[in-house]
Amino acid sequence: RKEVEQDPGPFNVPEGATVAFNCTYSNSASQSFFWYRQDCRKEPKLLMSVYSSGNEDGRFTAQLNRASQYISLLIRDSKLSDSATYLCVVTPGGAGSYQLTFGKGTKLSVIP
Amino acid sequence: DAGVIQSPRHEVTEMGQEVTLRCKPISGHNSLFWYRQTMMRGLELLIYFNNNVPIDDSGMPEDRFSAKMPNASFSTLKIQPSEPRDSAVYFCASSPANPLAGGYNEQFFGPGTRLTVL
Repeated sequence: RKEVEQDPGPFNVPEGATVAFNCTYSNSASQSFFWYRQDCRKEPKLLMSVYSSGNEDGRFTAQLNRASQYISLLIRDSKLSDSATYLCVVTPGGAGSYQLTFGKGTKLSVIP
Repeated sequence: DAGVIQSPRHEVTEMGQEVTLRCKPISGHNSLFWYRQTMMRGLELLIYFNNNVPIDDSGMPEDRFSAKMPNASFSTLKIQPSEPRDSAVYFCASSPANPLAGGYNEQFFGPGTRLTVL
């Protein structure tokens, strides 16, 4: 089983739609979770951290389910500028928190 | 403020040649990471430096790969000899603190070097 699995997509959605991505991870000892965004032919950039209680940043909501070992990202009112690949990232936390394990990403295309 | 700087941005070389990729981390960051990204394997950590010292090189694929960090503002990743399967985008990232002390600090990625080995 891969350490971090994501549906590669692509997800093609119209502007204004709500879209959700899930990600599953295999290491139950994982402590920290993130979503990174990577635009085409660009570097990954941190989008948001994912907390057990769930967290929201504007149109973006991230959720963590430790029991089922998955995290989710919800994007409301999609914009054209949201088109990118979204990478799910987990780390063991603590002294190993530099060890980011990346999923291969889910590609989102927002269509006019 | 300048972000992580990488050079060259693109490199095309022939199999067997030596390739050197360069990275300048963000000033004041004391953790530096080299990653490789391919379609097949995604983004993988190759090596991690803290305060110029290699801490974890378990991701370096084989002896043909080597990395150095002679000072706080410069690192190199060298492939000798290069092979077609080394073709990938190589990212350098830096972080402001020592994760070995616990806690996560955001990693800031450079623009990457797109390497093609013919």
